[in-house]
Amino acid sequence: RKEVEQDPGPFNVPEGATVAFNCTYSNSASQSFFWYRQDCRKEPKLLMSVYSSGNEDGRFTAQLNRASQYISLLIRDSKLSDSATYLCAGGSQGNLIFGKGTKLSVKP
Amino acid sequence: DAGVTQSPTHLIKTRGQQVTLRCSPKSGHDTVSWYQQALGQGPQFIFQYYEEEERQRGNFPDRFSGHQFPNYSSELNVNALLLGDSALYLCASSSGPGQGAHGYTFGSGTRLTVV
Repeated sequence: RKEVEQDPGPFNVPEGATVAFNCTYSNSASQSFFWYRQDCRKEPKLLMSVYSSGNEDGRFTAQLNRASQYISLLIRDSKLSDSATYLCAGGSQGNLIFGKGTKLSVKP
Repeated sequence: DAGVTQSPTHLIKTRGQQVTLRCSPKSGHDTVSWYQQALGQGPQFIFQYYEEEERQRGNFPDRFSGHQFPNYSSELNVNALLLGDSALYLCASSSGPGQGAHGYTFGSGTRLTVV
C-alpha cells in the first residue's frame, strides 16, 4: 500500500460546481499535511496547509482527520482557472511524501 | 528577493551519460531538498542537504548523489543515466532541515529527458 493515496480522477466538473478531493495516508508518524496545485508542466505550488481544526481560504477548505488518516480539500464555486492537478502531501522531519495527484478540469 | 532557482530548465541526455543539476536556495534558506517527479506521478523525495551534508535520503540508488556548497547552493548528480530517469527534478529550500513542516516552495524544476 502506498503511503499517500488519492482519488484517481480525473474530475470533470462544470463551472460553479463544488468538488471534493480525498487523500488517505498510512504513516501515522506524519505530522504535517498540505495540498499543492500543479499546472501542466509547471512545479507544484503550495495551496494550503491542513489542520485538524480545518483551514479555509476563500473558496477552498482543507480538513485533516487523524483518527481516520485522511485529508480532504473542498473547492466551492469552481472556476475555469481551478483546472489543474491537485496533490496531497504528508511529512515529518522535513521531507514530504506526495500522492499521485488528481486532475481537475472545470468546463464552461 | 529571488526564490528558488534551478538550472538548466531543460536537458536531453543519452543513456549511460552523467548529468548535473543545480539549485540556488531562496535567500536566507540553508537547506535544500531534491525531488523527482516522473510523468503522471507525484514528486518523490531524493535527498536533503544541510550544513553541506546529506541529512536524509529517499529510496534512490547510489547513482543519485549530491553536494551542497558553503553558499548553500546544491547540485544533484545522476550517473549512468537510464531511460527511467526521465523526469522533472525539483529543488526546494527551507530554513533548517525540519522546516518542511511549513510546506516547501519549489523551484521551477529541470526537465530531464534521457534518450
